[in-house]
Amino acid sequence: QQQVKQSPQSLIVQKGGISIINCAYENTAFDYFPWYQQFPGKGPALLIAIRPDVSEKKEGRFTISFNKSAKQFSLHIMDSQPGDSATYFCAADFGNEKLTFGTGTRLTIIP
Amino acid sequence: NAGVMQNPRHLVRRRGQEARLRCSPMKGHSHVYWYRQLPEEGLKFMVYLQKENIIDESGMPKERFSAEFPKEGPSILRIQQVVRGDSAAYFCASSLQSNTQYFGPGTRLTVL
Repeated sequence: QQQVKQSPQSLIVQKGGISIINCAYENTAFDYFPWYQQFPGKGPALLIAIRPDVSEKKEGRFTISFNKSAKQFSLHIMDSQPGDSATYFCAADFGNEKLTFGTGTRLTIIP
Repeated sequence: NAGVMQNPRHLVRRRGQEARLRCSPMKGHSHVYWYRQLPEEGLKFMVYLQKENIIDESGMPKERFSAEFPKEGPSILRIQQVVRGDSAAYFCASSLQSNTQYFGPGTRLTVL
C-alpha cells in the first residue's frame, strides 16, 4: 500500500495559535517525509522534511513530529500568522523518488 | 539561481487537439518529475525522467500521454487528442540527486 492519509481536510486557527496537521502512512519502506505549502495558483514549495531516524525536526515556527511505530507524522505551525493561510500537503517517498502526496489541508488563519 | 520554469502557464485546447507542456529544471538538476493535480486534490505522480531516459512512468496513462527529457532543451509532457478529463494543473519538479524535489509554478490545462 502506498497511501498517505491526511487530516483534517480544512482547518481554521486564530492568529497566534498552533496549527496541527496530521498524516498517516502504510508502507513502512517510506524513508523521507516532506511537507509542502501551496498558495492558490502557485506550485508547491518545500517547507520542511524529515527522515524516520529522528522523532522531531524544527525550522523556525514549523515543526515535524514523527512517530515511526504508529506510522504517523504531523506538522505543527507555532504562532500561526495570516500569511500561513495556504494548502499544506504531506508526502512520502521510499527512495524511488516518486512522491506520494496526501490529499491536502486548507489552512485559514483568522485575526 | 532560477527555479523550475514551466510554460505555458495556462493552456486552452479543444477536445482532440494536442497539448505540449514544457519544463526547464533548476540549473544543474538532471532529474525531472511530472505530477498532475485535479481541482481540490493532491498531486499524483506521472513520470520520472533523467536526461534521455524514462526512469519510471508508472503513473502515466498508457494512451495519449508521453514524456521526454532530451539531452538539450526542456522536458516535454505531451498529451495527444485531449479530452475534458485531462483538464488539470500539471506540475514539473526537479532534483539534483537526493529526494528533495523543487516544483515549478505549473501549467493549467483547460480542455473545452
